[in-house]
Amino acid sequence: SQTIHQWPATLVQPVGSPLSLECTVEGTSNPNLYWYRQAAGRGLQLLFYSVGIGQISSEVPQNLSASRPQDRQFILSSKKLLLSDSGFYLCAWSVPFIYGYTFGSGTRLTVV
Amino acid sequence: AQSVTQLGSHVSVSEGALVLLRCNYSSSVPPYLFWYVQYPNQGLQLLLKYTTGATLVKGINGFEAEFKKSETSFHLTKPSAHMSDAAEYFCAVSLRHTGANSKLTFGKGITLSVRP
Repeated sequence: SQTIHQWPATLVQPVGSPLSLECTVEGTSNPNLYWYRQAAGRGLQLLFYSVGIGQISSEVPQNLSASRPQDRQFILSSKKLLLSDSGFYLCAWSVPFIYGYTFGSGTRLTVV
Repeated sequence: AQSVTQLGSHVSVSEGALVLLRCNYSSSVPPYLFWYVQYPNQGLQLLLKYTTGATLVKGINGFEAEFKKSETSFHLTKPSAHMSDAAEYFCAVSLRHTGANSKLTFGKGITLSVRP
């Protein structure tokens, strides 16, 4: 069966520090991968999506970047965090034979 | 392009009462429609989906939704609310012609509270 792993679950980082969040998928090949952010009262914001290794589309220009070094690995990064980067970050995947997305358990990021 | 409207940000019902969460979509082509539920500090979990066939779709935890093309709606209902239904609910749409794994557009979500 397909599973998605996302870590860490919680993270507290100072302003100006770097960030690396990782998401891995098991049990499927060539998934589409997505990074979403939830800020308080602002719903789900799509940050990045990827249809293959090295293929990244950015939905919202900001202080973050994404990379897909392997087929089932998706990384969200920042060189210098801002207070506004605080939020709940969700990774998700989709494949052609399953309708909709499967989400990871999320990372709660607090920038202080 | 497609969009989803979930009116209001919060719904409160009594335990045992009917739950009705509204979702209207806008799509230039036939859509796929989804409802997801999110419990605090967790990821989103698929409740149910409409792809093709029967327009009344049954999901997990006793929820169901009906696709009404004429009303461009996909409202979520449950006959009797339980305390464990308290969560945030998201409606989402994708475009059928771009395939089963096409990109989803989410509504802003609605928080359901259940009073004892």
